[in-house]
Amino acid sequence: GDSVTQMEGPVTLSEEAFLTINCTYTATGYPSLFWYVQYPGEGLQLLLKATKADDKGSNKGFEATYRKETTSFHLEKGSVQVSDSAVYFCALSDLQRGGKLIFGQGTELSVKP
Amino acid sequence: GAVVSQHPSWVICKSGTSVKIECRSLDFQATTMFWYRQFPKQSLMLMATSNEGSKATYEQGVEKDKFLINHASLTLSTLTVTSAHPEDSSFYICSASSGTYTEAFFGQGTRLTVV
Repeated sequence: GDSVTQMEGPVTLSEEAFLTINCTYTATGYPSLFWYVQYPGEGLQLLLKATKADDKGSNKGFEATYRKETTSFHLEKGSVQVSDSAVYFCALSDLQRGGKLIFGQGTELSVKP
Repeated sequence: GAVVSQHPSWVICKSGTSVKIECRSLDFQATTMFWYRQFPKQSLMLMATSNEGSKATYEQGVEKDKFLINHASLTLSTLTVTSAHPEDSSFYICSASSGTYTEAFFGQGTRLTVV
């Protein structure tokens, strides 16, 4: 079945450092790919998405490119802030066909001042 | 984006009682709603998928008689944890989608503690 694998955390960075969180997937068909962020004690917020190969999703300085050839959707940010500390989830879905979201295990990011 | 409201945000109940959690799509019609469970520092585990007007589809290992899901309208789904036990304590999150969107929208989650 479909699955998502993320790099394990926690990831600890200093403020203004470069961030990469790796995400790879296996899927039949052509899923949409997502990054969600979860702050402590809260639900999930969509950070960015890409619906087809070579699409780049971006939001709040974060970027991820849908790479079909490597089945990857790595999350990057050039300069992290303390406020970016959260858990990040990579996910895939074929929602337009009523498909469910399949999540990676989550990567905790801690940014120190 | 669209808004999904989940209520209550936290609840404490006694062992053996039942608890109902509501999930509402405020500004769109949700043809499909999903219920997830999340243990501390873990990922979201899908419990069930519900389509408006039909029975929910439960994931393997989820007791449908214990976790009752109702999706009676296009804007409301409920999850009832029946005869709750301390091991049911968890963070429950709903999400909603429709054919209009290519993403699902999440509620803020409900922290259930069974004492």
